[in-house]
Amino acid sequence: AQSVTQLDSQVPVFEEAPVELRCNYSSSVSVYLFWYVQYPNQGLQLLLKYLSGSTLVKGINGFEAEFNKSQTSFHLRKPSVHISDTAEYFCAVSDPSGNTPLVFGKGTRLSVIA
Amino acid sequence: DTAVSQTPKYLVTQMGNDKSIKCEQNLGHDTMYWYKQDSKKFLKIMFSYNNKELIINETVPNRFSPKSPDKAHLNLHINSLELGDSAVYFCASSRTENIQYFGAGTRLSVL
Repeated sequence: AQSVTQLDSQVPVFEEAPVELRCNYSSSVSVYLFWYVQYPNQGLQLLLKYLSGSTLVKGINGFEAEFNKSQTSFHLRKPSVHISDTAEYFCAVSDPSGNTPLVFGKGTRLSVIA
Repeated sequence: DTAVSQTPKYLVTQMGNDKSIKCEQNLGHDTMYWYKQDSKKFLKIMFSYNNKELIINETVPNRFSPKSPDKAHLNLHINSLELGDSAVYFCASSRTENIQYFGAGTRLSVL
């Protein structure tokens, strides 16, 4: 069975500072990996995805993530955060064999401080 | 045009009532899902449908019954609502490579 661990439940960071949100997964097979963002009282929006190919993937709003198979990690980074990045961030994994449900981590609350 | 739309956005009801949440997607996707997000923000799959057929039914009380009249719709009916059913319910859909698109959610409050 697949699982996702987001190591930090809350990450406060000052505006314009860099941030890294950590995600580790466990799976006995190859995986697809995703980061979603949830702004307050809204649905989930796809930030970026890793399906295959280059291990460094770039997403929307200046975010990027690196797939590290040996460390089973998919950490999310942004070099300079804005107040508007304050949100809940979810890492998710799925089986690439078909359209299977996503298995989510418990989320990381990013709070950007002015 | 909203890709995945859910109605209603908010639902407040009494214990014991029966309610439905509707979901429609205009993306032409074959697979649709219902997820539940609890008060701690944890998201968990409830059901998955592919081409109107139930694919996955996680450990969910049988008071919850999904219905898919066509590929573009997946509705969720809940009987005999309980306090513990209070949560945000998200509908999602996908086609290839399992890139899922989510609705805005339905916040259900059972009093």
